[in-house]
Amino acid sequence: KAGVTQTPRYLIKTRGQQVTLSCSPISGHRSVSWYQQTPGQGLQFLFEYFSETQRNKGNFPGRFSGRQFSNSRSEMNVSTLELGDSALYLCASSFLAATSTDTQYFGPGTRLTVL
Amino acid sequence: GNSVTQMEGPVTLSEEAFLTINCTYTATGYPSLFWYVQYPGEGLQLLLKATKADDKGSNKGFEATYRKETTSFHLEKGSVQVSDSAVYFCALDYGGATNKLIFGTGTLLAVQP
Repeated sequence: KAGVTQTPRYLIKTRGQQVTLSCSPISGHRSVSWYQQTPGQGLQFLFEYFSETQRNKGNFPGRFSGRQFSNSRSEMNVSTLELGDSALYLCASSFLAATSTDTQYFGPGTRLTVL
Repeated sequence: GNSVTQMEGPVTLSEEAFLTINCTYTATGYPSLFWYVQYPGEGLQLLLKATKADDKGSNKGFEATYRKETTSFHLEKGSVQVSDSAVYFCALDYGGATNKLIFGTGTLLAVQP
């Protein structure tokens, strides 16, 4: 089975711009979560989507948004970029069986640099 | 709230040394516990997991036991290799409708030949 894929792998933007990152989950996985990784704050949960609905959201401003499509692929968008948004953005997918605790599998990440 | 605390790094060891990375957690109920590893320039890879008390997760020579009485999930390996050099993250998750990992700060392991 192919793993979680993320595109693009690297991105350079300037302050004030917006950016869209893409994530394709493992085939059959229905839940997609997004995390931000920075040296100062570590790994922080952004949001999680299941069946095209956002079920959980972390403590991030409204500039961070996402969506999930019917094929479970997900995108996240950051508007009005700030220097502090520079980070590695990781996507994770899981099957989400109702009766067991799931395991999240991560993609390689998108490295966003804001200048 | 729920949280995970890991020992500060970096941990520097010689090849074939014994490794312990401490992890303790604070949580209500019965979360699942995980160790993820991140190699330079890469995303996170699942190393091992345990879903209930006294479970032992193991993979590639690494082991960790879910200790509810001490709220701990320490990572151990009997003989480390240079290729084990990476950052190790302890995490907890309730799964299901709260599918959200809470991570520790990570511990950098450097293994010298």
